[in-house]
Amino acid sequence: DGGITQSPKYLFRKEGQNVTLSCEQNLNHDAMYWYRQDPGQGLRLIYYSQIVNDFQKGDIAEGYSVSREKKESFPLTVTSAQKNPTAFYLCASTSQEDTDTQYFGPGTRLTVL
Amino acid sequence: AQSVSQHNHHVILSEAASLELGCNYSYGGTVNLFWYVQYPGQHLQLLLKYFSGDPLVKGIKGFEAEFIKSKFSFNLRKPSVQWSDTAEYFCAASFSGGYNKLIFGAGTRLAVHP
Repeated sequence: DGGITQSPKYLFRKEGQNVTLSCEQNLNHDAMYWYRQDPGQGLRLIYYSQIVNDFQKGDIAEGYSVSREKKESFPLTVTSAQKNPTAFYLCASTSQEDTDTQYFGPGTRLTVL
Repeated sequence: AQSVSQHNHHVILSEAASLELGCNYSYGGTVNLFWYVQYPGQHLQLLLKYFSGDPLVKGIKGFEAEFIKSKFSFNLRKPSVQWSDTAEYFCAASFSGGYNKLIFGAGTRLAVHP
């Protein structure tokens, strides 16, 4: 059963702590993306990666970091430098055959206390 | 700057009513357009997409959208909504030269009452 998994579904952290969100896909997709979803603002792109060991900043990359050591994995770290980290985080991927259609994971809701 | 705007943030309808959700984009070049839906507790999923060709696009669950280039619009329609259509709907666009980066509208929350 192919798809994108994100874990955990809910995550709570204290202010000032770094936290890493997991995103794994078994679709053999080349490109992967991280979005942040806030009420009334839609989704905003944080980082994306077209191939292994390469990634680019999106529109709101400040306070976040990523790695792409394996094709199937694209973890996102929310650092203490992110001023307003509480949000819903979505991971997506695209195949080489259809680079315009993104498939999304179930998301992780991060709450910073 | 490239952007996508959705006119209605909240829409409330009764079952069997017709639905039209507005979406406009700002960009004069080649654009690919999408509608995604997020049902309560579920993944964001693709409803339909337009890349080129027939400007009237049919998607899943009876939804359709019309691309009107002169109006920079891509409105979503359904002739008769059901309670199960209650969800949040997002219009999105990717622009030429943007490497498939999707720009999303703010979303429209649709509530359908029986």
